[in-house]
Amino acid sequence: AQSVTQPDIHITVSEGASLELRCNYSYGATPYLFWYVQSPGQGLQLLLKYFSGDTLVQGIKGFEAEFKRSQSSFNLRKPSVHWSDAAEYFCAVGARSGNTPLVFGKGTRLSVIA
Amino acid sequence: DGGITQSPKYLFRKEGQNVTLSCEQNLNHDAMYWYRQDPGQGLRLIYYSQIVNDFQKGDIAEGYSVSREKKESFPLTVTSAQKNPTAFYLCASSLGQGRVDNYGYTFGSGTRLTVV
Repeated sequence: AQSVTQPDIHITVSEGASLELRCNYSYGATPYLFWYVQSPGQGLQLLLKYFSGDTLVQGIKGFEAEFKRSQSSFNLRKPSVHWSDAAEYFCAVGARSGNTPLVFGKGTRLSVIA
Repeated sequence: DGGITQSPKYLFRKEGQNVTLSCEQNLNHDAMYWYRQDPGQGLRLIYYSQIVNDFQKGDIAEGYSVSREKKESFPLTVTSAQKNPTAFYLCASSLGQGRVDNYGYTFGSGTRLTVV
């Protein structure tokens, strides 16, 4: 079965600084990988996903993520953080068979300071 | 616009009572899911359904029940057997099993259940 680890529970960055949120997965083959964002009291919104091909994927709101098979990682990055990026971020992994639901990490809460 | 509607947004329940959370989608998705969210716990899968009239238990199904009589609807009942039901509940849907773009779940905006 697949699993996801997000090592950082809470990260604080200054507005305009760069951001990297870490995600490590465990799965026997190449998985499908996702990043979602959640504002307080809301549902989750898909930021980006990796299925195959180019290991650097672009998403909405200026986010990107890089799949590194050798490190079993799928870290989320943004070159310049805006105050509106403050939210909780979830990494998720899915089996390519599509027969089982996504497994989510426990999330990383991002705070942005002026 | 298509989407998922969860209702109500806030729900209060007395101990010992059953309560049903509504989830409706008009995306023509085959698969639907219920997750529970607690602070620091991430999303934990309660039940999921890949097709009408069929559903499977997730990781924390005890104390919950579901039905899938219509493609559009996947209600979740929190029974009195659920020991700690206070949480934020999220419903999601996706195209369905085996579809290449099966993922890219669409989430509802959630129901916050409080036991009083």
